[in-house]
Amino acid sequence: SQQGEEDPQALSIQEGENATMNCSYKTSINNLQWYRQNSGRGLVHLILIRSNEREKHSGRLRVTLDTSKKSSSLLITASRAADTASYFCATGNTPLVFGKGTRLSVIA
Amino acid sequence: DTEVTQTPKHLVMGMTNKKSLKCEQHMGHRAMYWYKQKAKKPPELMFVYSYEKLSINESVPSRFSPECPNSSLLNLHLHALQPEDSALYLCASSQAPGEGWYEQYFGPGTRLTVT
Repeated sequence: SQQGEEDPQALSIQEGENATMNCSYKTSINNLQWYRQNSGRGLVHLILIRSNEREKHSGRLRVTLDTSKKSSSLLITASRAADTASYFCATGNTPLVFGKGTRLSVIA
Repeated sequence: DTEVTQTPKHLVMGMTNKKSLKCEQHMGHRAMYWYKQKAKKPPELMFVYSYEKLSINESVPSRFSPECPNSSLLNLHLHALQPEDSALYLCASSQAPGEGWYEQYFGPGTRLTVT
């Protein structure tokens, strides 16, 4: 069963702009996780936010969590061409089930 | 060492062949996972091992047979595969689940082609 659902499915921005991706889920969670996947490679864990947290930062990443709306957002500030990848959210109250992901293209 | 290694990187096999995928981690993680990923799709969970015991099998066909010889190694034995099994196979590891499931560390994957 699919837990996380990312939006938009695809996003294209210019280098230096901010990128925002959203994730909605259906059940209560212990935590929510974001991952990045470069084309044809393994996933890389970006950030984990617990259900009692509302916002978390890691470098140029900012994640918010609204458990009342069952949604989360990932903001990448000052994007770089190297940020081009697919981004997935997954809820951490079951073995991770990934949504379809957002494909981000950052154009230099 | 936060690396998960997978071998081989690429594998081409016929439908009558038997082959194995290997995964190794040295982070002391007690949970290990196999995922299957088709192009432009999210990874799909296949198996979960927790403390070397199979804890979750997501209704995977028996032509896929997982094995966890010890806490650092995870194998996926393949036999009589179909062309539709061609995909990227990802291994991951994490701390054993407690109140929630922890962040997972993924290997680079094995690109499998079944001819």
